[in-house]
Amino acid sequence: SQQGEEDPQALSIQEGENATMNCSYKTSINNLQWYRQNSGRGLVHLILIRSNEREKHSGRLRVTLDTSKKSSSLLITASRAADTASYFCATGGGYQKVTFGTGTKLQVIP
Amino acid sequence: EAGVVQSPRYKIIEKKQPVAFWCNPISGHNTLYWYLQNLGQGPELLIRYENEEAVDDSQLPKDRFSAERLKGVDSTLKIQPAELGDSAVYLCASSPGGGSYEQYFGPGTRLTVT
Repeated sequence: SQQGEEDPQALSIQEGENATMNCSYKTSINNLQWYRQNSGRGLVHLILIRSNEREKHSGRLRVTLDTSKKSSSLLITASRAADTASYFCATGGGYQKVTFGTGTKLQVIP
Repeated sequence: EAGVVQSPRYKIIEKKQPVAFWCNPISGHNTLYWYLQNLGQGPELLIRYENEEAVDDSQLPKDRFSAERLKGVDSTLKIQPAELGDSAVYLCASSPGGGSYEQYFGPGTRLTVT
């Protein structure tokens, strides 16, 4: 079963624009992670945000977490064609079961 | 550093036939995961190993699926007999263990059951 649901399911933007995707989850969490999946590199861990954090940055990535709304967002700034991929949120990890969301398919048009 | 290795990359079999997938995790990683990913969906955990012990196999359909990690290193996932609905990508991932969150994924095996 999927814990999270990403929104939108698909997103198409021009290179240089920002991309925002959202994740809603169902149960209380200790942390939330974002992964990227493309045909070239498979599934890759991007960033982890803990339940006591509200915002985290890593390069062009910005992740927010609102535990009261059980939601998270991933912002990719100044997108590049190489950012074309599917993006998944995931809850759990460590000694807890990891549950992935349904994913957002991002297409960045050069 | 070599990543997670999986083989084969692709497999086509007829229903009711057996199939096996192999995974070699990153050296030194104690935790190994097998996931199933259907088209357009996120990965779903089948089984998690800590060293050679299966600590979470609640999502593994045990009537037809089996897995082993005999020496706590590489692992094999088997399906016998395969059904049409088993067509999916089977992903292996590893992590250092000790409660580490980041997982490193292999390229996956795409299984087609005809």
